[in-house]
Amino acid sequence: QSALTQPASVSGSPGQSITISCTGTSSDVGGYNYVSWYQQHPGKAPKLMIYEVSNRPSGVSNRFSGSKSGNTASLTISGLQAEDEADYYCSSYTSSSSPYVFGTGTKVTVL
Amino acid sequence: EVQLVQSGAEVKKPGESLKISCKGSGYSFTSYWIGWVRQMPGKGLEWMGIIYPGDSDTRYSPSFQGQVTISADKSISTAYLQWSSLKASDTAMYYCARHAGYSYGLDGMDVWGQGTTVTVSS
Repeated sequence: QSALTQPASVSGSPGQSITISCTGTSSDVGGYNYVSWYQQHPGKAPKLMIYEVSNRPSGVSNRFSGSKSGNTASLTISGLQAEDEADYYCSSYTSSSSPYVFGTGTKVTVL
Repeated sequence: EVQLVQSGAEVKKPGESLKISCKGSGYSFTSYWIGWVRQMPGKGLEWMGIIYPGDSDTRYSPSFQGQVTISADKSISTAYLQWSSLKASDTAMYYCARHAGYSYGLDGMDVWGQGTTVTVSS
């Protein structure tokens, strides 16, 4: 099972919006609404930010939103803040040999 | 408070065995799948496998099948990840995490342990 494809890096200025893409196949992202997004700050455990494509867990800022079109999911961060600088990973349930797969990860830089 | 607490850092030699743990509290441990995730130094997240502590049903990523063993002791709400013969390439941070659900598909990981650093060096 290959990792989902994400851009290596995305950057934006404070207050701007950025979007991170996550491309898979019809066996994972495109076939199921079990796409999640995680935020990981250096030296910390990952934190669930979005689940089931577009749902936010309690306590996650509404500046984070998720969507999906075909085999590509997206995470949008609006009103970018310095604290949003972190690595972000998408993930998906998959019907292939492994039931779960992560994306390659994206480093978000706040300029 | 719902939490997963992992065992401490380990330093081992190649060829040695190791078992690290992940203890759940604040929720019904037997009702949620627990997964293990590897993160090699400076690299991304890799999903290794899961276990359902209620009946010890276990699934592995093909990349880790045969390389590690996932188990659980529901009487003490603890999941384990073990190696029979460590290699230098097993050096990494290992996280356990709770999958929020598994019905028509496997849902996201909503509770994470703090991570266990494993260093394998001669």
